[in-house]
Amino acid sequence: DIQMTQSPSTLSASVGDRVTITCRASQTISRWLAWYQQKPGKAPNLLISEASSLETGVPSRFSGSGSGTEFTLTISSLQPDDFATYYCQQYNSFPYSFGQGTNLEIK
Amino acid sequence: EVQLVQSGAEVKKPGESLRISCKGSGFSFTNYWITWVRQMPGKGLEWMGRIDPTDSNTNYSPSFQGHVTISVDKSISTAYLQWSSLKASDTARYYCARIYGSGWPVDYWGQGTLVTVSS
Repeated sequence: DIQMTQSPSTLSASVGDRVTITCRASQTISRWLAWYQQKPGKAPNLLISEASSLETGVPSRFSGSGSGTEFTLTISSLQPDDFATYYCQQYNSFPYSFGQGTNLEIK
Repeated sequence: EVQLVQSGAEVKKPGESLRISCKGSGFSFTNYWITWVRQMPGKGLEWMGRIDPTDSNTNYSPSFQGHVTISVDKSISTAYLQWSSLKASDTARYYCARIYGSGWPVDYWGQGTLVTVSS
């Protein structure tokens, strides 16, 4: 099974900051990686698929990159609405696995 | 409008059985896999398994294999997650979600069903 490791687990930042979250896969997953945002009490929301493809309606300050085993999610200029928990997920092979999450909190 | 509407919150005792549901509408149900994801209180997302409504083919995470059953009734566009004997550690919110197929991510989620198991 593929293990997904996100870092950091918690990230404290301010509005306007540029932040990067890293996700590493235990084996190569090509570009079959998605990023989700989850707010308290809500279902996750798909932000990025295929490592770097921004979903319709997602602000352009979000971007993704990477392939193989190392991936990043970058938010170029944090907005108040961005403080949430972010998860990566590989969908290269079953079982599709999630990273443990990164809690992005206000500094 | 795409909707995945899940059944309501449940409170059960250890050892009891349970089936929760997820009804799809606004899309062609048999064109998508349905997946189930667990989120324990204050914790992250765990992928449990998926089912293909066209043939009921399933894949489970080893962590959940043998403890839950995923099924579907395509005639009513509804997927199910069931337990034959609940444990306190099954207390969690369970999400259903859809996947277009191999090589596609989860793109739409239900609202979640909270399951509480307590004696």
